[in-house]
Amino acid sequence: QVQLVESGGGVVQSGRSLRLSCAASGFSFSSYGMHWVRQAPGKGLEWVAVIWYDGSNKNYADSVKGRFTISRDNSKNMLYLQMNSLRAEDTAVYYCVRDIYDSIYYFDYWGQGTLVTVSS
Amino acid sequence: QLVLTQSPSASASLGASVKLTCTLSSGHSTYAIAWHQQQPEKGPRYLMKVNSDGSHSKGDGIPDRFSGSSSGAERYLTISSLQSEDEADYYCQTWGTGEVFGGGTKLTVL
Repeated sequence: QVQLVESGGGVVQSGRSLRLSCAASGFSFSSYGMHWVRQAPGKGLEWVAVIWYDGSNKNYADSVKGRFTISRDNSKNMLYLQMNSLRAEDTAVYYCVRDIYDSIYYFDYWGQGTLVTVSS
Repeated sequence: QLVLTQSPSASASLGASVKLTCTLSSGHSTYAIAWHQQQPEKGPRYLMKVNSDGSHSKGDGIPDRFSGSSSGAERYLTISSLQSEDEADYYCQTWGTGEVFGGGTKLTVL
């Protein structure tokens, strides 16, 4: 079955960096676009970034553009999110999400999330 | 600009039915959306995709109590025979230029 397992979260000081990882299994990873979605404490879901199935295209939310970088290693079935210049407002649970296209891109599998806390 | 609008809260009694609404902004009434459920202290789970014609396709293991429909720019999620575990936040999601997620509806089962 499809599994997405995030890791790499933790407490980090404002201005520092952190890299999140997502291990994918149970499907042909190299055939799917992948996203990071986050959720600040007590708030709704916020889309963060997308990477195409082959890594050829990436897109970011304005709130993280220039600071975060999404990448993938299809040989290892891994998705990454490099987060630089972290701010207090980046504090959130970060979810690794698979997308599928059928007239729209929508999210059909979610990981369990990893918590990032940015302290000032 | 694509915007998804959801009521912040809804409530219904155990065993009853409830219909949640997601409204697409002007000019986007033909878009499909997906519904996701987030139970307390858990990650989101994909429920179903709802098309503009009201057809829908559910995720793996989603009970028949969950169904989707459409009318104009509105996309609906109906949950029948409400159970306590249906108490959760429900988000609609689409893809285009603008918002990806609606603000979510917190469903309380009385």
